[in-house]
Amino acid sequence: GESVGLHLPTLSVQEGDNSIINCAYSNSASDYFIWYKQESGKGPQFIIDIRSNMDKRQGQRVTVLLNKTVKHLSLQIAATQPGDSAVYFCAEFSTGNQFYFGTGTSLTVIP
Amino acid sequence: GAVVSQHPSRVICKSGTSVKIECRSLDFQATTMFWYRQFPKQSLMLMATSNEGSKATYEQGVEKDKFLINHASLTLSTLTVTSAHPEDSSFYICSARGISGNTIYFGEGSWLTVV
Repeated sequence: GESVGLHLPTLSVQEGDNSIINCAYSNSASDYFIWYKQESGKGPQFIIDIRSNMDKRQGQRVTVLLNKTVKHLSLQIAATQPGDSAVYFCAEFSTGNQFYFGTGTSLTVIP
Repeated sequence: GAVVSQHPSRVICKSGTSVKIECRSLDFQATTMFWYRQFPKQSLMLMATSNEGSKATYEQGVEKDKFLINHASLTLSTLTVTSAHPEDSSFYICSARGISGNTIYFGEGSWLTVV
């Protein structure tokens, strides 16, 4: 269910490289997942979503992979740019109509 | 695109007073709204889920008498922090789910400081 109040793990990548951010979700009954980006002091911003009947979805420069067997999501960002620096959260929407966030990862892009 | 508006964006209140935060869906009808709080460098913690016209469902450990949630219309939900204390100081964020789909949109958050 709930995300826990852990301090955020960090990821640093060189500008132009690809980034992979991982997330483990908790509820095997969750059927809808969203990746959000959050900049300091602002609300989360939608990046991409995926339903449980899919294992991959692509957007502009981003790809989400879903592995239901191990309850794992990943977000791949191609050609990472300085503007991609932010905290990234996965969120799971459970059949109980609740919407929980994962721990989050702080991405820093090095110019 | 869909927009969710929160007001106020920042508020300072005295300890012991109550403060209300509004969450509005501006161009869609929100059947469900979610309220979160977030401490610095931590994730969003779900406080409660509210459906229009019914009582909110609170997460374990969240005091329903302290954090009053009202979802009286399809475009407005309010969170009232009653008898606020300094430990209630936090970033409060709402999100809204529309009738037509599962996409969930977030407000810009409200910074509450209790002095």
